[in-house]
Amino acid sequence: EIVLTQSPATLSLSPGERATLSCRASQSGSSYFAWYQQRPGQAPRLLIYDASYRAAGIPARFSGSGSGTDFTLTISSLEPEDFAVYYCQQRSNWPRITFGQGTRLEIK
Amino acid sequence: QLQLQESGSGLVKPSQTLSLTCAVSGGSINSGSYSWSWIRQPPGKGLEWIGYIYQTGGTYYNPSLKGRVTISLDRSKNQFSLSLRSVTAADTAVYYCARGDPRDDAFDIWGQGTTVTVSS
Repeated sequence: EIVLTQSPATLSLSPGERATLSCRASQSGSSYFAWYQQRPGQAPRLLIYDASYRAAGIPARFSGSGSGTDFTLTISSLEPEDFAVYYCQQRSNWPRITFGQGTRLEIK
Repeated sequence: QLQLQESGSGLVKPSQTLSLTCAVSGGSINSGSYSWSWIRQPPGKGLEWIGYIYQTGGTYYNPSLKGRVTISLDRSKNQFSLSLRSVTAADTAVYYCARGDPRDDAFDIWGQGTTVTVSS
């Protein structure tokens, strides 16, 4: 069973700064790896799929990278609306879908 | 544009069955090879995938739910449903339905979520 561990649990930054969020898988799985943003009271929104491809309508300041067991979401210059919780997700053979526990990005 | 809307019982008694439906509008549940998922989020916690169904009727479930889950498809009504048996307080959560990409299971469209509370 694959476990996804996100770090840090909370990240405190200011608007305009660069954010780097990490997600580590307990074992090497597929490159079918996604990132989601969830604002308070809202459903999650797909940001990145296949580890590095931006979903439709996602600003270019969001980028994803990684392979094997280590994946990263980078926000190049934080906007006020980017402060939210971010989840990673991977598809594997078993269980089919796993989510990380989330990283809270808060305003410093 | 495709939209998803959850509905169902908001309050369920312990040991009973939770039943939810996700209505698909703006497109057909039969088009493409998408997966149709249920995902939940307990209060103040992260996301947990429950399971999904393909338009063919094939299903995958999260093994952590120990066989309590059934997801079904109603093509004529353009909707899919969740049944979760023998619920406890630990099943209290916001329940989301979502569409998954046929190739990589990225969830590109989500419903707004519905809150289910398990309490006597």
